[in-house]
Amino acid sequence: DQQVKQNSPSLSVQEGRISILNCDYTNSMFDYFLWYKKYPAEGPTFLISISSIKDKNEDGRFTVFLNKSAKHLSLHIVPSQPGDSAVYFCAASSQGAQKLVFGQGTRLTINP
Amino acid sequence: DVKVTQSSRYLVKRTGEKVFLECVQDMDHENMFWYRQDPGLGLRLIYFSYDVKMKEKGDIPEGYSVSREKKERFSLILESASTNQTSMYLCASSSRTGGILAEQETQYFGPGTRLLVL
Repeated sequence: DQQVKQNSPSLSVQEGRISILNCDYTNSMFDYFLWYKKYPAEGPTFLISISSIKDKNEDGRFTVFLNKSAKHLSLHIVPSQPGDSAVYFCAASSQGAQKLVFGQGTRLTINP
Repeated sequence: DVKVTQSSRYLVKRTGEKVFLECVQDMDHENMFWYRQDPGLGLRLIYFSYDVKMKEKGDIPEGYSVSREKKERFSLILESASTNQTSMYLCASSSRTGGILAEQETQYFGPGTRLLVL
């Protein structure tokens, strides 16, 4: 049972445009959500997170939106840059669980 | 700056061999995790540990065991390697959450070990 789903295995975006990566979850107990970025042959690096008490969190070019009623979150990257080409994983956790549940990942390619 | 290191970046082993993957973190984190990453399947949790000598099974523990004798070190053991254990193995650590500080759930990952079992 996949509790966190990223339904798009890949996404291609032109440099300078907005990249939108989506993630859906099924467990209503999740209250903390994260996005990780992963380059080939490297470990994932933490990008941005959001607590369920918020519906938006911004950090530079990256913004994460949370829609609790739809159990959906999205990551917006504006403007997209070639260095953003990577696999992006969303992850979720519930308070006190101390472990994360990851989605399958979306491979983002930024075209010049 | 959190540092998680893994003993090998690339490893080639034969079927039936016993394999040890080592992970060390330098941030005094209580929690440590082992994942494997396979295309289309994301990161799947194998085992995790809340404290020294404590371990919990994750989603796919079969064929693996772990050891945590010291707080900073978490080892993954493949008792008898099989070809279906060819994968990228990732170690992570995080601090223990004691309440509403959800930010402490953030896990920090090592560079990964790409294991090939022939």
